[in-house]
Amino acid sequence: SQQGEEDPQALSIQEGENATMNCSYKTSINNLQWYRQNSGRGLVHLILIRSNEREKHSGRLRVTLDTSKKSSSLLITASRAADTASYFCATDEDYGGSQGNLIFGKGTKLSVKP
Amino acid sequence: ETGVTQTPRHLVMGMTNKKSLKCEQHLGHNAMYWYKQSAKKPLELMFVYNFKEQTENNSVPSRFSPECPNSSHLFLHLHTLQPEDSALYLCASSGKRGLGETQYFGPGTRLLVL
Repeated sequence: SQQGEEDPQALSIQEGENATMNCSYKTSINNLQWYRQNSGRGLVHLILIRSNEREKHSGRLRVTLDTSKKSSSLLITASRAADTASYFCATDEDYGGSQGNLIFGKGTKLSVKP
Repeated sequence: ETGVTQTPRHLVMGMTNKKSLKCEQHLGHNAMYWYKQSAKKPLELMFVYNFKEQTENNSVPSRFSPECPNSSHLFLHLHTLQPEDSALYLCASSGKRGLGETQYFGPGTRLLVL
């Protein structure tokens, strides 16, 4: 099955800088979602982008999707220390009984230093 | 995180113990999920319930036994676990099972098997 793979695995930046994380997947998708996880906690949904969309914004977040390259990127602008977390992309499965299952990548661990 | 609650938050158990994890969602959702999150591995989907019916068992060992008495509650019964079962167990819910559904996660139960 397909799986999102985030890149880089870890990213350390200063407060105020922008952070860019990338996700690649293997097969066609209907939707791609980004989630955030603070250390040892549950995941929080950030944004969903559909396969027919190329870019989406939500506050300081900007997500792009390139279906020809099977990749997505998450940009966090003007980062804050509170953005420190792991970020995961998740793609949906669209076949048989597994329709709607989310396949998560290993995540990018972002550290924003004050 | 207040929409989906999990108890206990931390659990230490021996390999011969029997324990249960509880998940409750207050969002009026009809689909609920159990995930396992181990260090340096992607989230692994374990079980899916849709309208109280189990729709997926992702090749999970029988020492893990799910129960969904109603759409708001989900349990994971544990017995004769192995040390490699130590992980963060996350519960999630969504409006229904299907493409494009956002999943809402609980804070997780950190399980340590001795």
